[in-house]
Amino acid sequence: DIVMTQFPLSLPVTPGEPASISCRSSQSLLNSNGHNYLDWYVQKPGQSPQVLIYLGSNRASGVPDRFSGSGSGTDFTLKISRVEAADVGLYFCMQTLQTPLTFGGGTKVEIK
Amino acid sequence: EVQLVESGGGLVQPGGSLKLSCAASGFIFSGSAMHWVRQVSGKGLEWVGRIRSEPNNYGTEYAASVRGRFTISRDDSKNTVYLQMSRLKAGDTAIYYCSVHLKAQGGKWGQGTLVTVSS
Repeated sequence: DIVMTQFPLSLPVTPGEPASISCRSSQSLLNSNGHNYLDWYVQKPGQSPQVLIYLGSNRASGVPDRFSGSGSGTDFTLKISRVEAADVGLYFCMQTLQTPLTFGGGTKVEIK
Repeated sequence: EVQLVESGGGLVQPGGSLKLSCAASGFIFSGSAMHWVRQVSGKGLEWVGRIRSEPNNYGTEYAASVRGRFTISRDDSKNTVYLQMSRLKAGDTAIYYCSVHLKAQGGKWGQGTLVTVSS
């Protein structure tokens, strides 16, 4: 199984400041088709997970351009250019290259 | 708009059975693989299993923790995927989500249904 390691576990942020979350996989998520099978999600309290970034760097429809995804192979990063109060929640990465699909442990983003 | 609506959760005794449903709309259901994922108490996520589409012979795969106890099926005429759970244990207590991964959209998840296994 592919192990996903995500850090930090908790991320206190100041509104207006940037934030960054890292995700590392135990094996490459780069497929022969050139896509990295790594998605980023946010789960706000009482809600189901919502996709932010898919295939490593593609922003999902309706997601503000403050969010960006980068990386390839085994190392990936989610960046928020300017955090807003509405961004609080649990962020996690997920690999969809192979089953079992596996998840990072999650990063709780909270406002300082 | 993609919509996934789970139902069928509830309280069940250890050793019992329960069948969850997920009604889908807003995408070509018959051509899509469907997944079940569970989440314990707002924390860790665990993939439960997947059922492929008809061109892929409705192939199924399961997490080791549920293999032999859970069965995923689908009815393309009803745009619905099912999760039949048997020999339930306390450790199966979780919110169960169905999800689909769509090209150019990423993953879409339902709102989830809570399963509680307790005597």
